[in-house]
Amino acid sequence: QKEVEQNSGPLSVPEGAIASLNCTYSDRGSQSFFWYRQYSGKSPELIMFIYSNGDKEDGRFTAQLNKASQYVSLLIRDSQPSDSATYLCASNTGFQKLVFGTGTRLLVSP
Amino acid sequence: GAGVSQSPSNKVTEKGKDVELRCDPISGHTALYWYRQSLGQGLEFLIYFQGNSAPDKSGLPSDRFSAERTGGSVSTLTIQRTQQEDSAVYLCASSSDRDRSLYEQYFGPGTRLTVT
Repeated sequence: QKEVEQNSGPLSVPEGAIASLNCTYSDRGSQSFFWYRQYSGKSPELIMFIYSNGDKEDGRFTAQLNKASQYVSLLIRDSQPSDSATYLCASNTGFQKLVFGTGTRLLVSP
Repeated sequence: GAGVSQSPSNKVTEKGKDVELRCDPISGHTALYWYRQSLGQGLEFLIYFQGNSAPDKSGLPSDRFSAERTGGSVSTLTIQRTQQEDSAVYLCASSSDRDRSLYEQYFGPGTRLTVT
């Protein structure tokens, strides 16, 4: 079982819709969680991190964490074609090394 | 400020040759990480350095891979006797230990290695 799991997608949403990306993790010792965006041929770019249960909002992005259920999600409101990318979820257990999921590919159609 | 830089951006080498990849972390970041990403795959952890502590080499796939970090800053990843399966994008990241519960990592642009 992979430590961080994501649906590979693609997740297709129309422009202006809400995109919901999900991630589950197996290590209950995981303390903080990260969402990275990776455009094709580019390196991962940090979007948000979250370490407390509940929601954390930053602009059009909202990260949600539920430690009891061991899942993390990223909501993108008012999705734009420029949001089309692969979104990587990562966790750490307090030892600095991040464990990455394989990513979900998001396609936002105009 | 300047982000993580890596060189070269692209490297083509013949099977059996040695290669060196360089990473210059964000100034002041104490931790440095190496990952590789094969086509269409996730990030595979290779090694990380934290300050003066012994590096965590648990992700290195074979003894052909080694890395060093000089002066707590620049790091070099060396692959000896390259094989075709070593072809991948090698990514470097750095993080600060400013908040030990977070450790958010910032990535460089990567080095695309092609072994022919």
